Amino acid sequence: DTEVTQTPKHLVMGMTNKKSLKCEQHMGHRAMYWYKQKAKKPPELMFVYSYEKLSINESVPSRFSPECPNSSLLNLHLHALQPEDSALYLCASSRRDSYGYTFGSGTRLTVV
Amino acid sequence: SQQGEEDPQALSIQEGENATMNCSYKTSINNLQWYRQNSGRGLVHLILIRSNEREKHSGRLRVTLDTSKKSSSLLITASRAADTASYFCATDELGGGTSYGKLTFGQGTILTVHP
Repeated sequence: DTEVTQTPKHLVMGMTNKKSLKCEQHMGHRAMYWYKQKAKKPPELMFVYSYEKLSINESVPSRFSPECPNSSLLNLHLHALQPEDSALYLCASSRRDSYGYTFGSGTRLTVV
Repeated sequence: SQQGEEDPQALSIQEGENATMNCSYKTSINNLQWYRQNSGRGLVHLILIRSNEREKHSGRLRVTLDTSKKSSSLLITASRAADTASYFCATDELGGGTSYGKLTFGQGTILTVHP
């Protein structure tokens, strides 16, 4: 299995909703990442997990809450989002030290 | 903040022509990577070049790295309509001689290859 699987592919949520994005990989990668991408912009790093521990938080608002239950799973819990949080959310994984990332196909999130 | 700046922002060529995209960056790096993204989908890793390498090939792709100028280029030879996509460079930055453990993406080049 050489894929990163993200669910759902599309999500529409209200500003008072709570939802979660899910990411799964079975490549044995010990680093996993959440990126946010707005239209016509490059991906921007949100969080890095290394060996299931949060190693980097790029000053992301607390309405985004990451979780890494085990080495194969990464979740992003969403609560009280704003319309400007609408974007493509990308999960990625990698081996450590100078290897390329494998990206999922993303969750397109719309906040109404 | 975005590390890499790419040019051109957009490139339009005919099938069979070569496409060259450039990337500049500001800090010391562990490696530089190139990714392709088709129309709002996930990114696909194309090639990685380490800071001690100057040139690398993979199929129709050729990447160069000049650490003295803090720049890299991606050449796609004999382009095909299927190469139409956005291309991003991404840097694995060094801090204190150690990788920060994250990739920072450049602004990207939109490549259109006309049949």
